[in-house]
Amino acid sequence: NAGVTQTPKFQVLKTGQSMTLQCAQDMNHEYMSWYRQDPGMGLRLIHYSVGAGITDQGEVPNGYNVSRSTTEDFPLRLLSAAPSQTSVYFCASRSERGQSSGNTIYFGEGSWLTVV
Amino acid sequence: KQEVTQIPAALSVPEGENLVLNCSFTDSAIYNLQWFRQDPGKGLTSLLLIQSSQREQTSGRLNASLDKSSGRSTLYIAASQPGDSATYLCAVLCSSNTGKLIFGQGTTLQVKP
Repeated sequence: NAGVTQTPKFQVLKTGQSMTLQCAQDMNHEYMSWYRQDPGMGLRLIHYSVGAGITDQGEVPNGYNVSRSTTEDFPLRLLSAAPSQTSVYFCASRSERGQSSGNTIYFGEGSWLTVV
Repeated sequence: KQEVTQIPAALSVPEGENLVLNCSFTDSAIYNLQWFRQDPGKGLTSLLLIQSSQREQTSGRLNASLDKSSGRSTLYIAASQPGDSATYLCAVLCSSNTGKLIFGQGTTLQVKP
């Protein structure tokens, strides 16, 4: 059981480049979300999804796009990278179904992104 | 707007000491509250989850309490060990039909041998 898998783990981008951070979960969770973690700012929600085909904005959505074509995958796209997007990105998932999960949220290992 | 605050920001204790980490939130209308551990350069690991209807949860040497009316949660760590050194984050889930967690800034704990 892989849980939540993020790729790549490390990436360096030049300003203006685009890229996609991949996130996949194998737990059949309905809810998936992307956070960024910055020193002194804590973790902040970028975008989230409550199921395939449904996405919504979080606290800091500008400069990022998401889509949810399948239950398993929730990629995060940086359209034109800026130095302000240098951060650590975490993908998370959870489910409402079943008592055993207890609605626990599971996080990926993180993706370290540097924009120069 | 929900805000989550953790005090202290950093804590250093000798091995064996019992300690309490604090988390407060401004809006008592929460769905649940979760405590996480984060090691340097790593992701977040869930420690304990307390549903809004519960008062506490226990796992091994960890005990988390929740007082919704006062907007507070505490994480109690008994008999601390150097392996407990990490950053501890609390987060509230404001609604059951989203994945939106609001995080505190975390408490960085160092347990000295």
